[in-house]
Amino acid sequence: KNQVEQSPQSLIILEGKNCTLQCNYTVSPFSNLRWYKQDTGRGPVSLTIMTFSENTKSNGRYTATLDADTKQSSLHITASQLSDSASYICVVLPRNYQLIWGAGTKLIIKP
Amino acid sequence: ETGVTQTPRHLVMGMTNKKSLKCEQHLGHNAMYWYKQSAKKPLELMFVYNFKEQTENNSVPSRFSPECPNSSHLFLHLHTLQPEDSALYLCASSQAPRQDQGEKLFFGSGTQLSVL
Repeated sequence: KNQVEQSPQSLIILEGKNCTLQCNYTVSPFSNLRWYKQDTGRGPVSLTIMTFSENTKSNGRYTATLDADTKQSSLHITASQLSDSASYICVVLPRNYQLIWGAGTKLIIKP
Repeated sequence: ETGVTQTPRHLVMGMTNKKSLKCEQHLGHNAMYWYKQSAKKPLELMFVYNFKEQTENNSVPSRFSPECPNSSHLFLHLHTLQPEDSALYLCASSQAPRQDQGEKLFFGSGTQLSVL
């Protein structure tokens, strides 16, 4: 079982709508939690990085939240655009170790 | 553009072939990485180099041979691969090899490898 689980596996929404992607992790303790966006045929691009003491971080229409007590993070996308179609990957960095990657949520925005 | 360039973008090879993947970063970073991404699976770290020295080898089979001649260039030499090695191979760089200070990884676009 992966230490970083993401849900849903895939999601289709209409352009302009909001959505929330979930990440549950078992890694503890950890240094930081990241969200990456990966367009088809491209490498991942960093969206946000949060330390264990941060609750929320925004990057434009993307807002990540972190609840270290429940070991959950979410990525909220506001007013979705066609260019938001991509895979979104949650990544956790344990202390003294390398990044642990989730399998990602594939998001499709339909016009 | 992320500042990390990978070539070729696509590669088809037979199991007896020898090929190499190339990665170049223009960011002045000191650490470089090879990752493997199979369909619907998490990224798997293969190798880490810091200042040209290999610091991590995640039990990668010897048919994958990395080479890092300097901090800006990274190669992955491939020989006698298996069909299950078909995947997207991603190169990344960062200022330091550990991200516990919040440093980002910058990825190339990857090489989509198919082994027949």
